[in-house]
Amino acid sequence: GAVVSQHPSWVICKSGTSVKIECRSLDFQATTMFWYRQFPKQSLMLMATSNEGSKATYEQGVEKDKFLINHASLTLSTLTVTSAHPEDSSFYICSARDRRLAFYEQYFGPGTRLTVT
Amino acid sequence: KQEVTQIPAALSVPEGENLVLNCSFTDSAIYNLQWFRQDPGKGLTSLLLIQSSQREQTSGRLNASLDKSSGRSTLYIAASQPGDSATYLCAVGGGADGLTFGKGTHLIIQP
Repeated sequence: GAVVSQHPSWVICKSGTSVKIECRSLDFQATTMFWYRQFPKQSLMLMATSNEGSKATYEQGVEKDKFLINHASLTLSTLTVTSAHPEDSSFYICSARDRRLAFYEQYFGPGTRLTVT
Repeated sequence: KQEVTQIPAALSVPEGENLVLNCSFTDSAIYNLQWFRQDPGKGLTSLLLIQSSQREQTSGRLNASLDKSSGRSTLYIAASQPGDSATYLCAVGGGADGLTFGKGTHLIIQP
């Protein structure tokens, strides 16, 4: 149980275009989903927290107008990178938390590698 | 702001050795601490989760300890194997907040 999927697993896009990444909890209800970013040879950095039905909360330094997050259902959150630029190239990983668990364990998706040319 | 530090940054040992990876965090008000494994170009594999009320967790050859008051955790790997080669990440959770990750320990087990 507690499986999280991401789609696509990798994507290449041209500078100036937008890219949407989906994060799904397959066998549990995720009241909260988190989006992380990992640059090469760096650790994961939290970008934003999204609660189902609410606006996302962004970490300091993350542009909310550039990284649009939607969490419209208990099993799906999307991250849209708008007007992507080469510096947005990174590994994006989502995680989801099950409302039934009292200990706040997060389950991670396999990640999406974005390359902007 | 929570900061997580992992030592060493890299480690290379012969197969069969027991080894210890270290993690320290600055704010002891955590809900849990989690150890992950990440293979090159891949996502995260959760290894062990320790709740703030717990002192240690074990899974197979892995044992993780938590000393919340001193802000430290260790991951002990027994009888290391080449398949254990990966980057090991420590992350601490603040309850409803996301996780704060360390930069990881890049581990190489020599056959």
